[in-house]
Amino acid sequence: AQSVAQPEDQVNVAEGNPLTVKCTYSVSGNPYLFWYVQYPNRGLQFLLKYITGDNLVKGSYGFEAEFNKSQTSFHLKKPSALVSDSALYFCAVRDQAGTGGFKTIFGAGTRLFVKA
Amino acid sequence: EADIYQTPRYLVIGTGKKITLECSQTMGHDKMYWYQQDPGMELHLIHYSYGVNSTEKGDLSSESTVSRIRTEHFPLTLESARPSHTSQYLCASSGGGGNQPQHFGDGTRLSIL
Repeated sequence: AQSVAQPEDQVNVAEGNPLTVKCTYSVSGNPYLFWYVQYPNRGLQFLLKYITGDNLVKGSYGFEAEFNKSQTSFHLKKPSALVSDSALYFCAVRDQAGTGGFKTIFGAGTRLFVKA
Repeated sequence: EADIYQTPRYLVIGTGKKITLECSQTMGHDKMYWYQQDPGMELHLIHYSYGVNSTEKGDLSSESTVSRIRTEHFPLTLESARPSHTSQYLCASSGGGGNQPQHFGDGTRLSIL
């Protein structure tokens, strides 16, 4: 069965400092991995994805994520946080083998607070 | 920037009413989804569709129903609204293969009195 874990309900970071939002996953085969961001009263917005190839994936707004197959992790990172990055972040996984069809499994979300 | 539209954005309505939440996308995506999300909380998949005339129930039991008569349109209906239906409902779509992300609408926030 597919699953995603975001072990931190909330991450607090000072503006200008690097940030990391953690995600671990479980799939039977190889994963497609995604990060989304949600601002208040909005839908989820796609940030970046991992399909295959380079373990470091770059996405929108200066975010990047590192795929680690041995640790089954896909942590979201940004070198220098902005107050405007404060939002709810969701990690998501889909099995490349198509187990479960095209359903995407979302983590429970991590709230990021960036303090000025 | 959204190519997927949900109406209404907000709805406050009394118990027992029939409600239809509209979702339309202009991207020609074959797959569409409905999620229920209490504000700031996790998403729960309640319905999905892989194409016209295809609908499936999701992981969270829901008293709602959906239809997919046209590719671009995926409405969700509650025959008799109850206070337990109070939540945010997000519609999404995706195209291509399994490596494509989902595109989300901005949601309908539903309050049943």
